[in-house]
Amino acid sequence: SQTIHQWPATLVQPVGSPLSLECTVEGTSNPNLYWYRQAAGRGLQLLFYSVGIGQISSEVPQNLSASRPQDRQFILSSKKLLLSDSGFYLCAWKPTGANYGYTFGSGTRLTVV
Amino acid sequence: QQPVQSPQAVILREGEDAVINCSSSKALYSVHWYRQKHGEAPVFLMILLKGGEQKGHEKISASFNEKKQQSSLYLTASQLSYSGTYFCGTEQGLGNEKLTFGTGTRLTIIP
Repeated sequence: SQTIHQWPATLVQPVGSPLSLECTVEGTSNPNLYWYRQAAGRGLQLLFYSVGIGQISSEVPQNLSASRPQDRQFILSSKKLLLSDSGFYLCAWKPTGANYGYTFGSGTRLTVV
Repeated sequence: QQPVQSPQAVILREGEDAVINCSSSKALYSVHWYRQKHGEAPVFLMILLKGGEQKGHEKISASFNEKKQQSSLYLTASQLSYSGTYFCGTEQGLGNEKLTFGTGTRLTIIP
């Protein structure tokens, strides 16, 4: 069966520090991968998605970036965090093609101080 | 543009029914429904494809009106476990496989 792993679960980082969040999927190949962010009490905002290795689409211009160095690995990064980067970051995957729901990782709660 | 959900929040007693609506200004290929418990990740409930189908999952079902670009989620005989925030998500088509989530509806079930 397929599983998605996301870490760390919580993170407190100072303003201006770098960020690296990692997500991996097991039990499938060539998945679509997604990064979402959820501000406190708000909806889910799509940040990046990838349909293959090295293919990244950015949805929101900001100081974040994403990379997909391996088929089942998706990384969210920042060189310098802002206070506004605080939030609940969720990685998700689904099989390529239509008719599938998205499966989310357990999320990373990031607080920038 | 983000789909709009209504109502924003609803409080029900156990056993009562609820309807949550999702409306988009864009043509849709599919509509997803998810439930998110406080502090947890969203969990997939069901997907509806264009063609106006209706789906059911135990006491939770949904419909999709492609022409009106609307979907509704129906919860019957609600249980305490149904509490959470419900999000619809929309995809615009094959080759455009990204999910845009709606504004969310917070459902509270009280005994």
